[in-house]
Amino acid sequence: DIQMTQSPSSLSASVGDRVTITCQASQDISNYLNWYQQKPGKAPKLLIYDASNLETGVPSRFSGSGSGTDFTFTISSLQPEDIATYYCQQYDNLPQTFGQGTKVEIK
Amino acid sequence: QVQLQESGPGLVKPSQTLSLTCTVSGGSISSGSYYWSWIRQPAGKGLEWIGRIYTSGSTNYNPSLKSRVTISVDTSKNQFSLKLSSVTAADTAVYYCAREKYYYDSSGYYKMTFDYWGQGTLVTVSS
Repeated sequence: DIQMTQSPSSLSASVGDRVTITCQASQDISNYLNWYQQKPGKAPKLLIYDASNLETGVPSRFSGSGSGTDFTFTISSLQPEDIATYYCQQYDNLPQTFGQGTKVEIK
Repeated sequence: QVQLQESGPGLVKPSQTLSLTCTVSGGSISSGSYYWSWIRQPAGKGLEWIGRIYTSGSTNYNPSLKSRVTISVDTSKNQFSLKLSSVTAADTAVYYCAREKYYYDSSGYYKMTFDYWGQGTLVTVSS
């Protein structure tokens, strides 16, 4: 299985801050990577697909980049409604695997 | 608007079989380029893909669970189902059904996303 390692596992930031999460794959996955947001008690929601493409309807403060083994997810200006856990997911190989998640909190 | 809804027992005894059904509304389960997946999440932990089915009946399973998992589809009812046998406490989790949308890009590469999810259902394994 391809292992996906996210860091940090949690972070606390102020409203308006720039927030960056990294995701590292255990092998080259090209750009076969998606990012999801999960709010407490809810199902995950797709934010970014193919590493850098913004899903329709998702605010432009969310962005993604990277290719190969190293990927970055960024919130350019943290908003109170962004409090959630964020997951990366690879689909280069089955089984599809997720990172362990990054919990984002407001300072 | 496509909606997915999980249903099934919330409590299963150890060694028994967990059975869940996902009902799809707002679109036909047979139309379009979609797989239909099950994903689970133990409390406070991350997401684990269990497996998927195409409406032809073709399946793929996570090797870690393959010996215990069966996913089936009933296109007449617009449903797909999960059976997980010989459950233990480690199988306690929120179980999600999800639609896997796929396409091939201009270079012929396979692309996918989980674009619709059910709300999730908690299954507890306990005697």
